[in-house]
Amino acid sequence: DAKTTQPPSMDCAEGRAANLPCNHSTISGNEYVYWYRQIHSQGPQYIIHGLKNNETNEMASLIITEDRKSSTLILPHATLRDTAVYYCIVRVEVEGNKLVFGAGTILRVKS
Amino acid sequence: GAGVSQSPSNKVTEKGKDVELRCDPISGHTALYWYRQSLGQGLEFLIYFQGNSAPDKSGLPSDRFSAERTGGSVSTLTIQRTQQEDSAVYLCASSLVGGLSYNSPLHFGNGTRLTVT
Repeated sequence: DAKTTQPPSMDCAEGRAANLPCNHSTISGNEYVYWYRQIHSQGPQYIIHGLKNNETNEMASLIITEDRKSSTLILPHATLRDTAVYYCIVRVEVEGNKLVFGAGTILRVKS
Repeated sequence: GAGVSQSPSNKVTEKGKDVELRCDPISGHTALYWYRQSLGQGLEFLIYFQGNSAPDKSGLPSDRFSAERTGGSVSTLTIQRTQQEDSAVYLCASSLVGGLSYNSPLHFGNGTRLTVT
């Protein structure tokens, strides 16, 4: 399985960009990088995913390095409501293609 | 549009009783997943459905746990003879599976919080 490594926690000032790193050095083939977040007492919320190219949507941007061994999730203007656990997941190409969640990064946005 | 709906949102049961947890996936989503999350822990995969069949049951912790899906839509997770260690939030997710299934995001419900006393 392609595993991911994320810092356990990060702080970000409100209104600033939050840049969350993820290492996935064993990623291979057609494995996608997915990002989810989980706010207390809620189910995980899908943010964005990508394969090779950088991706952007209304929530965030995903920057994937050319060798695909790492990626960065960017929240351009973090708000207090962005405080959550952020999960970087490499979706393994096996039957069911289930998402395997790690420990994630606790992002604390502070005013 | 409507997201993944789970019921009940909270369930308190006595040890030894059976419980049923329900998941209504997003309309048209063919894949359905069950996860659980114990207090302060990560998400643990339980079972995956494609249509009404379950090709991957590898995460079910014991034979007290079972799940079914009917009509390619609603799914029920059943826990028999509940134990205190079954206390957790049970999460359901669905995805629209196309030709490249790993390109279809999973969308989660807010879960059922099960407390076994």
